[in-house]
Formats: sequence, C-alpha cells, structure tokens
Amino acid sequence: AQKITQTQPGMFVQEKEAVTLDCTYDTSDQSYGLFWYKQPSSGEMIFLIYQGSYDEQNATEGRYSLNFQKARKSANLVISASQLGDSAMYFCAMREGNQFYFGTGTSLTVIP
Amino acid sequence: SAVISQKPSRDICQRGTSLTIQCQVDSQVTMMFWYRQQPGQSLTLIATANQGSEATYESGFVIDKFPISRPNLTFSTLTVSNMSPEDSSIYLCSVVASGRVTDTQYFGPGTRLTVL
Repeated sequence: AQKITQTQPGMFVQEKEAVTLDCTYDTSDQSYGLFWYKQPSSGEMIFLIYQGSYDEQNATEGRYSLNFQKARKSANLVISASQLGDSAMYFCAMREGNQFYFGTGTSLTVIP
Repeated sequence: SAVISQKPSRDICQRGTSLTIQCQVDSQVTMMFWYRQQPGQSLTLIATANQGSEATYESGFVIDKFPISRPNLTFSTLTVSNMSPEDSSIYLCSVVASGRVTDTQYFGPGTRLTVL
C-alpha cells in the first residue's frame, strides 16, 4: 500500500480564494510526522508546515494550515488567500522513524 | 533549519560521460540523502550518505552507477556515471536538521541534469 496518497494531480484556484490539497497516509506507528513541501518550477523543495502525530492542534504557518484528522489518517493542506506565487507542485510527506515517504504531488495553478 | 547549496545548478552532458554533484551544508548534520526526481514525477530516494562509511542504497540503485562520498558532516558528492538520457532528472540533496518545531528534512536547490 502507498504510504502517502495525493489524489489530486492538478488543482485550480482563483486568486485570493482558499484551496485545500488532499493527503492521506498509511502507518501503524503511533509516532510519526507529516510535512508539506512546495516545489516551484525552479525545482527547489521548500518546507512549508509540519504536524506531529501527537499534536492536538492543527499546525498553522502564516497562510498555510494543516487540517489533521488522525482517525481518518488525513493531513490536508489549506492555503488561504491564494497568490499567483502559490502556483507550484505541492508534496505531502511522512516521517516514520528515520524513513521519509513522499506523495506523488499536486500541481496547483492560481488563476488571476 | 539548514542552508544547503548544490553545484552545479544545471548541466547538459553527453551520453557515456559522468557528472559529480556537490552538496554543502552550513552546519553539521548526521542524516544526508540524495534523491532523484524524473520529469513530472515525485522524489525517489537514491541513497543515504553516511559519514565515514559506504552509502546505503535503495533498491534499484547501485554504487557503480551512483557513487557517493561523504568525507565529513557538512559535505557530500553524488556522481552519476556512464550517463544515458534516462538519467535526465533533477538531483536533490537533503538533510535532516532541527526545525522550529521538530527535526525537518531540508532540501538543496537541486541539480537539473539533461543527458543528450
């Protein structure tokens, strides 16, 4: 089974609107971490936000928030007030011990 | 966090040649990785670069094709040997370092390789 599943190959959002990028994960560990990365066309991978498995509050970093639903094993990224510069690939990742697993990514396009 | 630089940032190479990619980190880190990202794909882990010992390769990757050096805790190289067009990819170096909340994997800017 896939460790990380991102079911949206591509998403479009109007500028200034909010968008949710889906991520589900598969683990039997009690302790794990969930990460989101942004990859613009330049190719660099930029760390955005982290959620720990024991964290009771959803993580937030500026316009990014992580909608963590542990029972459903989902860790969706919410981007509020989208900007043109948010157009990029977004990868969900999970850490189990010293192993990292990445999803297949979602391409987000922000429409002016 | 960690600041990571990679050289070269991009290169165009001929089939059958080799390219060495350098990765420099601004602090000492234990865990350092090399990834490949083929066009339109997700990241694939090539190997974990171990300081003072041989790298640990993932299934499908071998030392003869992707030799890795890690002479100290801030530097590593990845060589792509006897290249073919199928090796055209972005190669990313990453490290695990202390973040604001937890140990986080940080990435270098990547090396965009095209093999003709």
